[in-house]
Amino acid sequence: DQQVKQNSPSLSVQEGRISILNCDYTNSMFDYFLWYKKYPAEGPTFLISISSIKDKNEDGRFTVFLNKSAKHLSLHIVPSQPGDSAVYFCAASHRNTGKLIFGQGTTLQVKP
Amino acid sequence: ETGVTQTPRHLVMGMTNKKSLKCEQHLGHNAMYWYKQSAKKPLELMFVYNFKEQTENNSVPSRFSPECPNSSHLFLHLHTLQPEDSALYLCASSQSFDRVRAYEQYFGPGTRLTVT
Repeated sequence: DQQVKQNSPSLSVQEGRISILNCDYTNSMFDYFLWYKKYPAEGPTFLISISSIKDKNEDGRFTVFLNKSAKHLSLHIVPSQPGDSAVYFCAASHRNTGKLIFGQGTTLQVKP
Repeated sequence: ETGVTQTPRHLVMGMTNKKSLKCEQHLGHNAMYWYKQSAKKPLELMFVYNFKEQTENNSVPSRFSPECPNSSHLFLHLHTLQPEDSALYLCASSQSFDRVRAYEQYFGPGTRLTVT
């Protein structure tokens, strides 16, 4: 039973446009959400996070939106750059365990 | 460069071999983690160590044996593995591990393990 789902295995976007990566979760006890980026042959690197008490967090070109009623979060990258091409993982933390539960990842390709 | 290193980067071992994976973090963190990533699957937490004490074991088979001699080093000892254990093994660290709040975790590059 997968509690964090990234239903789009891949996404292709033109350079300069917006990339929107989506993530859905099922457990209402998750209270902290994170996005990680992973290049080939490297480990995931932390990108941005959001607490469940907020609905938006912005850091430069990256913005994460949280819709608690829909149990949905999204990562917006504007403008997208070819160097953003990577696998993006969302992760959620359970309020009583502190453990991170990861989605299966979405491969983003930004075309020049 | 995330401050977390793992060796070896690639490992091929037979089912009767014994090998160890090593992880070292240079971030001054107190918590370290082992994750497994199989093809097309999400990262799965295996073990958590907080201040050198094992705090989580996610029902991992005993053929995987972790060791944390200090807050900077973490090992995963492997013996009598099965082909289905072939995966990417990732080490991570964080400031601490707390059940009531999550800390950002910093990952190493992983060890690609193949069991033949």
